[in-house]
Amino acid sequence: GNSVTQMEGPVTLSEEAFLTINCTYTATGYPSLFWYVQYPGEGLQLLLKATKADDKGSNKGFEATYRKETTSFHLEKGSVQVSDSAVYFCALLNQAGTALIFGKGTTLSVSS
Amino acid sequence: ETGVTQTPRHLVMGMTNKKSLKCEQHLGHNAMYWYKQSAKKPLELMFVYNFKEQTENNSVPSRFSPECPNSSHLFLHLHTLQPEDSALYLCASSYERLAGGLVGGTGELFFGEGSRLTVL
Repeated sequence: GNSVTQMEGPVTLSEEAFLTINCTYTATGYPSLFWYVQYPGEGLQLLLKATKADDKGSNKGFEATYRKETTSFHLEKGSVQVSDSAVYFCALLNQAGTALIFGKGTTLSVSS
Repeated sequence: ETGVTQTPRHLVMGMTNKKSLKCEQHLGHNAMYWYKQSAKKPLELMFVYNFKEQTENNSVPSRFSPECPNSSHLFLHLHTLQPEDSALYLCASSYERLAGGLVGGTGELFFGEGSRLTVL
């Protein structure tokens, strides 16, 4: 079946540090992949996505590249800010195209 | 303002109570979803409605009963819940299809802020 595995958190960084949050997936075929972010007290919102192998999604300084060889979609940012503190969810679109399957989420805490 | 509104934001109920969660979207979407968010677990997809028809029920216990009277409103009726049902319940909406194609669809879900449920 479909599943998404994210690195365990919390991830604690200082401002301007480099961020990597690992995500790997198990699925039939090549699903579309997503990163969602949940800021404190809010619902999830789409951060970036990639729909096919080797695509790179990017938004707000975050990037992730769809790697079919390693079934991965790791999230990166070169210089994090305090305002990036949130929970980050990796997700894939199920084969039927009807719903998103999410990982457990990784909490990021950035201090100044 | 996300366009998806959930009420109540917080709910405390006993195991014998009956209550309902409400979700409303003003985005013109035709698909709506209930997800359960528990600590240290993946978001669990519970139900999917497409044009008011239920298209997925992810083996959810019958003590959770969804209702979708129209494409803009989604309810989750709760009765005889257990303490382990305490969680954040998230509603989301999307265009008819999450996948791309002629119908469109960006794969994007629009989430509400959630209803925090505590079962005593």
